[in-house]
Amino acid sequence: KAGVTQTPRYLIKTRGQQVTLSCSPISGHRSVSWYQQTPGQGLQFLFEYFSETQRNKGNFPGRFSGRQFSNSRSEMNVSTLELGDSALYLCASSPGQGDRNIQYFGAGTRLSVL
Amino acid sequence: AQSVAQPEDQVNVAEGNPLTVKCTYSVSGNPYLFWYVQYPNRGLQFLLKYITGDNLVKGSYGFEAEFNKSQTSFHLKKPSALVSDSALYFCAVRASGSARQLTFGSGTQLTVLP
Repeated sequence: KAGVTQTPRYLIKTRGQQVTLSCSPISGHRSVSWYQQTPGQGLQFLFEYFSETQRNKGNFPGRFSGRQFSNSRSEMNVSTLELGDSALYLCASSPGQGDRNIQYFGAGTRLSVL
Repeated sequence: AQSVAQPEDQVNVAEGNPLTVKCTYSVSGNPYLFWYVQYPNRGLQFLLKYITGDNLVKGSYGFEAEFNKSQTSFHLKKPSALVSDSALYFCAVRASGSARQLTFGSGTQLTVLP
């Protein structure tokens, strides 16, 4: 079974631009979560989608948004990029609603904002 | 609110010696606890979880963790360290029946010296 796939692996953008990151979950998984990883703040939860609905949201500004499609693939969008948005963005999928479920992570998209 | 503390940024151990990576948590209600490992330029790989039952949990690659409710700890252990175990280790917690996202510790860099 293929793992969680994130594309692209690397991105370079300039301040003020917007960016879209993509995540394909493990086949059969319906929950997708996004995390931001930085050296200073560590791993921080962005949001979670289940069956195309945002179920949970972390403490990030409205410039960060996401969506989930009917095939469970998810995209994350960051508008008006700031230097501080440079980070590794990780996507994780899990089978469903159970809070005991393991989250399986992709390799991440490394975003550099210049 | 839930939180995780990993008190050691760095742990060094000689190959063949036992290793311990410490984790304490704070959560309302019953905790679900997880350990993940991250290798350079990779996402997080699941190692093991505690949901309920035996306090000693066995996971991948010979790792195990001991849940201690009175000390609110979930330390990761391995009887004999390998150089290939060198990586960044994260402890995470989720409260049962509540918000779904994982809250991660700040990570512990484990270095196994040959």
